[in-house]
Amino acid sequence: RKEVEQDPGPFNVPEGATVAFNCTYSNSASQSFFWYRQDCRKEPKLLMSVYSSGNEDGRFTAQLNRASQYISLLIRDSKLSDSATYLCVVNILLYGGSQGNLIFGKGTKLSVKP
Amino acid sequence: NAGVTQTPKFRILKIGQSMTLQCAQDMNHNYMYWYRQDPGMGLKLIYYSVGAGITDKGEVPNGYNVSRSTTEDFPLRLELAAPSQTSVYFCASRPQTGALIYFGPGTRLTVT
Repeated sequence: RKEVEQDPGPFNVPEGATVAFNCTYSNSASQSFFWYRQDCRKEPKLLMSVYSSGNEDGRFTAQLNRASQYISLLIRDSKLSDSATYLCVVNILLYGGSQGNLIFGKGTKLSVKP
Repeated sequence: NAGVTQTPKFRILKIGQSMTLQCAQDMNHNYMYWYRQDPGMGLKLIYYSVGAGITDKGEVPNGYNVSRSTTEDFPLRLELAAPSQTSVYFCASRPQTGALIYFGPGTRLTVT
């Protein structure tokens, strides 16, 4: 099983739709979780961190399920500008260390159509 | 802060040529990374560094070398370019504590 798995998509949705992405991780020592957004031919940029209690930022909601080892990203009222690839990132804390290994998923491509 | 900067933005190399991709960060981050991303694929870690003078191999180090003589700079060297090294190269950095990682804008390399 890969360390971080995502559905590659593409997800093709109309404007205004709600779309959800899931990401599963295999290492139970994973400590922190993030969603990054990568536009075509650009560098990845942080979209949001994912907290145990779930968190929301405008139209974006991220949730973490430690028992099932998955995180999710929900985008409501999708806009054309949301078209991008969304990367799931997991930080696995190394024993005795304050840093960890960042593991990137391969990304889920979203295309929002008018 | 400029963040993470990379030069050049684009480069075309002939097979067998050498080049150095430059990366610098002005955030005083200890950790720096080089990733490559092939079209339609995910990020693959080439090399990383946990501080000046310390480097280590990532998932795909063959054909590359790095050095870290200062906290700010982390150049990536290609000695004998091959078509398989055609890719987009991203440099990234993160601080001593915390997991947020910051990427440079990337270098698009084509080897023909």
